[in-house]
Amino acid sequence: GQQLNQSPQSMFIQEGEDVSMNCTSSSIFNTWLWYKQDPGEGPVLLIALYKAGELTSNGRLTAQFGITRKDSFLNISASIPSDVGIYFCAGRDSGGSNYKLTFGKGTLLTVNP
Amino acid sequence: DARVTQTPRHKVTEMGQEVTMRCQPILGHNTVFWYRQTMMQGLELLAYFRNRAPLDDSGMPKDRFSAEMPDATLATLKIQPSEPRDSAVYFCASGLMGAYEQYFGPGTRLTVT
Repeated sequence: GQQLNQSPQSMFIQEGEDVSMNCTSSSIFNTWLWYKQDPGEGPVLLIALYKAGELTSNGRLTAQFGITRKDSFLNISASIPSDVGIYFCAGRDSGGSNYKLTFGKGTLLTVNP
Repeated sequence: DARVTQTPRHKVTEMGQEVTMRCQPILGHNTVFWYRQTMMQGLELLAYFRNRAPLDDSGMPKDRFSAEMPDATLATLKIQPSEPRDSAVYFCASGLMGAYEQYFGPGTRLTVT
């Protein structure tokens, strides 16, 4: 089935640093979503992207829908301890069934105070 | 504050027992998804419904798993008989038809001994 490559798998950073992570797919996607999962909870939707080149912000988070439509990026600026968690990308490919999303394996973010 | 709710949050059972997990989607949402999350496989889609009708359950082991939506406010996932390899966190998510954002519940952590 469709797979997303999400990188890096994990990051360990100091509070205040900026963070970047990305996802790539082998096929064209027409929707990209970014989620954050805290321990013991379900993924929470952070940002949704629908058009190639789209750049969307949510507070200190900024995500971009890649021009090739095969990748997406998430940046976190000035990280704080509560940014700790697992970040997942998810996408819907242009040839896929309605509503089904493919998820990346996640990026585990640790922020050292 | 509209949220997806899931019960129970935790379930420990013995191999061979029946397990039923319940989900209440966000009011007004008409697509419902069941996912399983494990360390090895990440998030896997088991089944999804649109307007209470099952659209795709290809991700589910048919011999032991079943998913239903008796009404618009309740989705159930049943495992009978359960096996140790079913141990995982099971998430329900809901969304609006026509949109691709999915909103996750807090999950049911299942342990089969």
